[in-house]
Amino acid sequence: GNSVTQMEGPVTLSEEAFLTINCTYTATGYPSLFWYVQYPGEGLQLLLKATKADDKGSNKGFEATYRKETTSFHLEKGSVQVSDSAVYFCALREASKLTFGTGTRLQVTL
Amino acid sequence: GAVVSQHPSWVICKSGTSVKIECRSLDFQATTMFWYRQFPKQSLMLMATSNEGSKATYEQGVEKDKFLINHASLTLSTLTVTSAHPEDSSFYICSAGLGEDTQYFGPGTRLTVL
Repeated sequence: GNSVTQMEGPVTLSEEAFLTINCTYTATGYPSLFWYVQYPGEGLQLLLKATKADDKGSNKGFEATYRKETTSFHLEKGSVQVSDSAVYFCALREASKLTFGTGTRLQVTL
Repeated sequence: GAVVSQHPSWVICKSGTSVKIECRSLDFQATTMFWYRQFPKQSLMLMATSNEGSKATYEQGVEKDKFLINHASLTLSTLTVTSAHPEDSSFYICSAGLGEDTQYFGPGTRLTVL
């Protein structure tokens, strides 16, 4: 079956540091890939997505590239802010069904 | 953007009682709603998919008689945990589908069964 593996957190960074959160997946077909973000007390929000190999999703300074050869969709941001502190979920969608990773908590400090 | 609410945000109940959780799409109509369960430090697991006016489709291993889902209207779906036991304690999250591609998530409901 499908699965998503992402790095365990928490990840603690200083403001303006570079962020990478690794995500790899296993799928039987050709899924779409997503990153969701969950701020404290709120529901998951779509951060970015990519629907086919070599696509790059981007939003709010975050980027992730769909790498079919390495079955990866790593999330990156060049300079994080305190307001980026949240839990980040990598997910894939196949046949209308979302499969999530376990989530990675990011804590950004001044 | 589209907003999905859940009520209650947390609930504590005694073993053997039933608990109902509501999921509402506040500013759009959702033909499909999804219910997920999340254990600590684990991923969201899809429990069931419900379409307005029809029976929910449950994932393998999810007891349909224990987790009753009713999708009464295009803006409301309810999950009832019947005869709750401590092992049902978890974080329950709903989402509402808008179009083929997009799900909007509620903030979740934490259930604790004593």
